[in-house]
Amino acid sequence: SQKIEQNSEALNIQEGKTATLTCNYTNYSPAYLQWYRQDPGRGPVFLLLIRENEKEKRKERLKVTFDTTLKQSLFHITASQPADSATYLCALDAAGNKLTFGGGTRVLVKP
Amino acid sequence: DAMVIQNPRYQVTQFGKPVTLSCSQTLNHNVMYWYQQKSSQAPKLLFHYYDKDFNNEADTPDNFQSRRPNTSFCFLDIRSPGLGDAAMYLCATSRGHSGRANEQFFGPGTRLTVL
Repeated sequence: SQKIEQNSEALNIQEGKTATLTCNYTNYSPAYLQWYRQDPGRGPVFLLLIRENEKEKRKERLKVTFDTTLKQSLFHITASQPADSATYLCALDAAGNKLTFGGGTRVLVKP
Repeated sequence: DAMVIQNPRYQVTQFGKPVTLSCSQTLNHNVMYWYQQKSSQAPKLLFHYYDKDFNNEADTPDNFQSRRPNTSFCFLDIRSPGLGDAAMYLCATSRGHSGRANEQFFGPGTRLTVL
């Protein structure tokens, strides 16, 4: 069955450093992959989408890579700020307008 | 601002007492979704509507039902809530364009407590 894995351990990082999160998947060949941010007690918010034929996508301080051979996506937050502290979810497309979400990685940026 | 609204934000119900959660959207999106999310877990899709077409996930318990009376509104009915149904319930929408990637827009969620 399809499986999406994100590091369940929280990532603690110093302000100004780059945070790197990993999303691995198995038994799956997604056409695209999405990243969302979720704050405590709130719904996820869409950040970035990357397609299978794209290696890299950037948006402001965010960068996403997509390696379909390794079945992995990396999500980078450069020059991290305390306001970046949140849980980040990756999601892969499934048939029929559906997404399958990973469990998310919590990021804590310390001043 | 166009958005997805969920009411109430917090709902407390008793074991076995039916409860309805509501979702509305001003985005005029074709697709509406209901997810269940428990603490530190991935959002789990319960079902979704493409316009009026209802799509149930295979592992969604019969205890969960949904209605979409019009484009803007969608309801989640839990007929006999159990303690295991305590969770955050998230409503989301997407444009549903065929063959294209569609990001999802989420509401703030309803936190359900079952006593």
